[in-house]
Amino acid sequence: NAGVTQTPKFQVLKTGQSMTLQCAQDMNHEYMSWYRQDPGMGLRLIHYSVGAGITDQGEVPNGYNVSRSTTEDFPLRLLSAAPSQTSVYFCASRKGSRSSSYNEQFFGPGTRLTVL
Amino acid sequence: KQEVTQIPAALSVPEGENLVLNCSFTDSAIYNLQWFRQDPGKGLTSLLLIQSSQREQTSGRLNASLDKSSGRSTLYIAASQPGDSATYLCAVNPPTSGTYKYIFGTGTRLKVLA
Repeated sequence: NAGVTQTPKFQVLKTGQSMTLQCAQDMNHEYMSWYRQDPGMGLRLIHYSVGAGITDQGEVPNGYNVSRSTTEDFPLRLLSAAPSQTSVYFCASRKGSRSSSYNEQFFGPGTRLTVL
Repeated sequence: KQEVTQIPAALSVPEGENLVLNCSFTDSAIYNLQWFRQDPGKGLTSLLLIQSSQREQTSGRLNASLDKSSGRSTLYIAASQPGDSATYLCAVNPPTSGTYKYIFGTGTRLKVLA
């Protein structure tokens, strides 16, 4: 299994540009989420999904959109990039609550985004 | 509002030393608590997950304990090695917000000196 994969690894945008961060997992996990990591702030939840077709907001959702058309993919869209969105973005997945295994989270390697 | 604190923010120890990393949380009503390791420029690797009904979990040289009543968890690393150098993060899963919204601490940056 490749686990959780993210593309691109690095990205530089200008203010106002839009882009999509890709996330995919091959573990048939029901739950997927996006976090951003900023110095001194820890990881903060942006959006999450508990299954295909179901998404919800996390702690810092403004300026981001998500969709979940398949179990495997959970892209994060920046509608109009702002310098405040400069951060490292992590995608994570885990089995759903109906699984008999304990619900360990698996993280992707991250996307480092700079908005000028 | 649940808040997670990790003290100290940074720690340097000589190789071979046993050490304890601390994680405290303000609301004792948690679903579970997970410890992660993060290497520079990398993602997070899960180390241990403790369910709310458990008191501790062990994996190799790592032992994590949980005391919900006092809002504390500790990660014990035995016989530390330079390869243990990384940032260690804890995260709690509050049941009141569903089973997914993990709250992270800001981490402890550990350096093990050879």
